[in-house]
Amino acid sequence: NAGVTQTPKFRILKIGQSMTLQCTQDMNHNYMYWYRQDPGMGLKLIYYSVGAGITDKGEVPNGYNVSRSTTEDFPLRLELAAPSQTSVYFCASSYDGGGYEQYFGPGTRLTVT
Amino acid sequence: AQSVTQLDSQVPVFEEAPVELRCNYSSSVSVYLFWYVQYPNQGLQLLLKYLSGSTLVKGINGFEAEFNKSQTSFHLRKPSVHISDTAEYFCAVPNNAGNMLTFGGGTRLMVKP
Repeated sequence: NAGVTQTPKFRILKIGQSMTLQCTQDMNHNYMYWYRQDPGMGLKLIYYSVGAGITDKGEVPNGYNVSRSTTEDFPLRLELAAPSQTSVYFCASSYDGGGYEQYFGPGTRLTVT
Repeated sequence: AQSVTQLDSQVPVFEEAPVELRCNYSSSVSVYLFWYVQYPNQGLQLLLKYLSGSTLVKGINGFEAEFNKSQTSFHLRKPSVHISDTAEYFCAVPNNAGNMLTFGGGTRLMVKP
């Protein structure tokens, strides 16, 4: 199993550009998550999904959109990139919520200038 | 709402010394608790978790944590650290609905030779 894969690993965007961060898991997990990590701030949840066709906002959803058309894929869309979106983005998945372990991808480092 | 506080942002320690990383949680309901580790330039991986039962939980790489309900704590310990333990450590707790994790701000463990 590859686990959770993310592409790209690095990206530099200009202010106002858009992009999609890709996330795929091959563990048949129901739950998927997008986090951003800023230095000293821990991880903040952007969006999550409890199954195909179902998504919901986390703590910091503004400026982002997601979709979940299949169990495996959970892309994160940035519209009109802003410097405040410079961060490291992690995708994660778990079989279920609550006490189930979340498996993380390697991350995407995004810089908006 | 569930929350966790990691009391130390950085912990420097010499190799082969013992270490304790502190985590306090706030919860009015039954608690699941997690410790995740993030090595440099990688995603997070599960170190250990408490769901129920014995309050002393053993994890990977010789780490253990003790659930203390009266002190609302879940401190992480290792009796003798190695250089390879240098990483950031995150304490986490699910929200009441069990559909997301709330992470602490992280503790950077720096092991010196």
